[in-house]
Amino acid sequence: GAVVSQHPSRVICKSGTSVKIECRSLDFQATTMFWYRQFPKQSLMLMATSNEGSKATYEQGVEKDKFLINHASLTLSTLTVTSAHPEDSSFYICSAPAQGRNEQFFGPGTRLTVL
Amino acid sequence: QQQVKQSPQSLIVQKGGISIINCAYENTAFDYFPWYQQFPGKGPALLIAIRPDVSEKKEGRFTISFNKSAKQFSLHIMDSQPGDSATYFCAAGLNFNKFYFGSGTKLNVKP
Repeated sequence: GAVVSQHPSRVICKSGTSVKIECRSLDFQATTMFWYRQFPKQSLMLMATSNEGSKATYEQGVEKDKFLINHASLTLSTLTVTSAHPEDSSFYICSAPAQGRNEQFFGPGTRLTVL
Repeated sequence: QQQVKQSPQSLIVQKGGISIINCAYENTAFDYFPWYQQFPGKGPALLIAIRPDVSEKKEGRFTISFNKSAKQFSLHIMDSQPGDSATYFCAAGLNFNKFYFGSGTKLNVKP
């Protein structure tokens, strides 16, 4: 099946710093990618839709200035958590629909811990 | 606003038994209903999915039942195995794009 990778898989940072998470579609192109956040023992909550060549669209309640999204190419989207705080500690997961495959593929997730 | 409601929150089944997880949705525009399996520390993996023009889909031990009029769908796992122990999420989406997930069901299959 199609593969979506994320980097890093785990990151620990100090409060106030910024963290960048990469999402790559390895064997297909994705004009759209999605970013989700999952707190422990909870569901995946859609944060934003990343659009190649245009601005990301954010779900209600998600701060766009705090969670910067850049869809740099047809295979790469990045999520930058700016001025991270402990409450931003979570599991961040991206996904990408594979056009023509009628399926959406999820990355393995990035565990962010803010001290 | 929770777009997809899932129950039960947790489920314990004996090996060989049937696991049943239920979901209900609100938005009648949804046209794709996947189920995902997630192990701790991993991303969700697609298990099986259904479109609203079909009432049932079976793949191996996994079956989705879909009731369009009731806006409900369910996952049945036949002959449940300890290796099936994981968290299961239903989801609803539009055109394979953004998905709204249920709250998850933690399944524990006892040997």
